[in-house]
Amino acid sequence: QQPVQSPQAVILREGEDAVINCSSSKALYSVHWYRQKHGEAPVFLMILLKGGEQKGHEKISASFNEKKQQSSLYLTASQLSYSGTYFCGTDSGAGSYQLTFGKGTKLSVIP
Amino acid sequence: DGGITQSPKYLFRKEGQNVTLSCEQNLNHDAMYWYRQDPGQGLRLIYYSQIVNDFQKGDIAEGYSVSREKKESFPLTVTSAQKNPTAFYLCASRLAGGTYNEQFFGPGTRLTVL
Repeated sequence: QQPVQSPQAVILREGEDAVINCSSSKALYSVHWYRQKHGEAPVFLMILLKGGEQKGHEKISASFNEKKQQSSLYLTASQLSYSGTYFCGTDSGAGSYQLTFGKGTKLSVIP
Repeated sequence: DGGITQSPKYLFRKEGQNVTLSCEQNLNHDAMYWYRQDPGQGLRLIYYSQIVNDFQKGDIAEGYSVSREKKESFPLTVTSAQKNPTAFYLCASRLAGGTYNEQFFGPGTRLTVL
């Protein structure tokens, strides 16, 4: 079952902050975040594991609430280059190596 | 440079024809995946393979077929049984052995069926 992302779309001015949420109805082992520019491949941003480990870009921060099966991606001091569609992918079991992606959140940063 | 290549970038086919999309990786990754992307739908898993000569159906496998004869290659065939094949297709790969490994995506193939 697809995780649910919110909001579906958001418009920011440069320098503003945003939070993108990802919620699953299943117990999660890890959450993966990607950003995709139109017509291009998704680019890896971050992995958050059950137990608190994280791996990702220095300028991106995120949280993972295991009890609520939710993750949030925090974009601070947004830049024009942050524009794109953000996807969360959830992995519900160690060793499954499958990700189920949400429908995405479209972020537009304007000058 | 290591990476994933998909070809062609754009593909046009007539209705009723089978078509094969290429995916090659030189990252020495064990697992490979095919996703379909439609506007507003996110990425949906078609097939995946964790080792050579073995693959599993994803959520929307009907009308598609794959093979994994080599570790580097995972071609996807869109058959005439697929009712609505026009979409953006993404191939991905991942180093197996732990969920701490990210998926890398290829540049995609945009298929249009006329």
